[in-house]
Amino acid sequence: SQQGEEDPQALSIQEGENATMNCSYKTSINNLQWYRQNSGRGLVHLILIRSNEREKHSGRLRVTLDTSKKSSSLLITASRAADTASYFCAERAGATNKLIFGTGTLLAVQP
Amino acid sequence: DTAVSQTPKYLVTQMGNDKSIKCEQNLGHDTMYWYKQDSKKFLKIMFSYNNKELIINETVPNRFSPKSPDKAHLNLHINSLELGDSAVYFCASSQTTSQGELFFGEGSRLTVL
Repeated sequence: SQQGEEDPQALSIQEGENATMNCSYKTSINNLQWYRQNSGRGLVHLILIRSNEREKHSGRLRVTLDTSKKSSSLLITASRAADTASYFCAERAGATNKLIFGTGTLLAVQP
Repeated sequence: DTAVSQTPKYLVTQMGNDKSIKCEQNLGHDTMYWYKQDSKKFLKIMFSYNNKELIINETVPNRFSPKSPDKAHLNLHINSLELGDSAVYFCASSQTTSQGELFFGEGSRLTVL
């Protein structure tokens, strides 16, 4: 399967704590993206990091990329109950640039 | 205004029936997609169209037939529905085929009995 893997599969933290999710992918990427999915809703794009970038920030989000290890991580700082959702990494790769999603991490932030 | 809208949101039907899901985007994007999300939340790409032309066709049974009448619309028709087709189907769009982010619809939950 081309699908990347995310770790952990599920994460439960208290409000105010930081949450770190890891993603390992399989191909040579053009870019890597992170998405959030609230229960019963569609996916929402969070952040995109290009293959020549190592770190990117957006508000409380910090993404790192290590192409030598084919891995990325998403850090959410000072988490809130509203951050409770599933988080997916997705790699843009191949001749058709299709977006291949990872297996997802279910984050629960307890108030 | 909803950027990517798909209908219906819920679909319950019997095995063997034929059903369609419609998708429209008002973002002016060139590229549209269908993804399938199973009960374990795994998302798999099924099809992609760029300016009405099919560019990605993953290993999907022939019972699934996409159709793009114009670049703002991408429909999915499914013949002879099977139990294993039960899933949430997501439509998405992006500005081009390369590099950018995807904008997703809210999903169409298909249940085959």
